[in-house]
Amino acid sequence: EAQVTQNPRYLITVTGKKLTVTCSQNMNHEYMSWYRQDPGLGLRQIYYSMNVEVTDKGDVPEGYKVSRKEKRNFPLILESPSPNQTSLYFCASSLYRGSANYGYTFGSGTRLTVV
Amino acid sequence: GENVEQHPSTLSVQEGDSAVIKCTYSDSASNYFPWYKQELGKGPQLIIDIRSNVGEKKDQRIAVTLNKTAKHFSLHITETQPEDSAVYFCAASISNNDMRFGAGTRLTVKP
Repeated sequence: EAQVTQNPRYLITVTGKKLTVTCSQNMNHEYMSWYRQDPGLGLRQIYYSMNVEVTDKGDVPEGYKVSRKEKRNFPLILESPSPNQTSLYFCASSLYRGSANYGYTFGSGTRLTVV
Repeated sequence: GENVEQHPSTLSVQEGDSAVIKCTYSDSASNYFPWYKQELGKGPQLIIDIRSNVGEKKDQRIAVTLNKTAKHFSLHITETQPEDSAVYFCAASISNNDMRFGAGTRLTVKP
C-alpha cells in the first residue's frame, strides 16, 4: 500500500530535550515536506525537500531541522523543543517534476506536546 | 507570496443537502488547486484537484469550479452523507514547494 509513515503518533516531552519525528514514504517520491497544524491557522510548511540532499525552509522553520540522506526518509528534528512547538505535525510527499504540481500524500500525523 | 482564504470556517448541513466551500487566492500565477479532506485522527487526503486550464471538474458527488479572473475556486458536495463530515482544506500553488493552504472548513452533515 502506498503510504507515508510517521512515528511516533503521540509524544509528550519536556522543554529542551532533543527529539526526532521520523517520516518514511514507499512511493519513490522526490518531494517531501513537513507541516504543522494549529487551530485556526491551517497547515503551515516547516521545511521541504525536492530530492536527496536538497532541503529548504518553509514558512515557519525556526526551531526545527531536517535531513534528506535517503529518498524515502525525511526526519524532523527539534534540537531544543519549547512549549510553542506543541502542535500536530504532518509529513507529506509527492512527485516532483520541475514546475509541475502534484497532489500530496500525507502521513497520519504526530501530536507533540512540550511541557 | 500566495495567500489563500477559505470560507466558511464551519458549515452544518442536513443529510442530502448540498455543501459549498469557497476559497480565494492572491497570486495570479497559481495554477494548481487541490482539495483535501481530513477525518478525525487522520492526515489530510487529496479528494479532487483542478488545474488552471480547466474551469470545472467533477468526480461523482464532488465538483470543483475555478474562476481565474476573480481568483476564486469552490468545492461543491451534492447529496451529502454523514461520512462527508470532516475538515476540508483548499490549497493553491505555482509549484510543489510553494503550496499554500486555507485555514480549513469543518463540515458537519446531520442525519
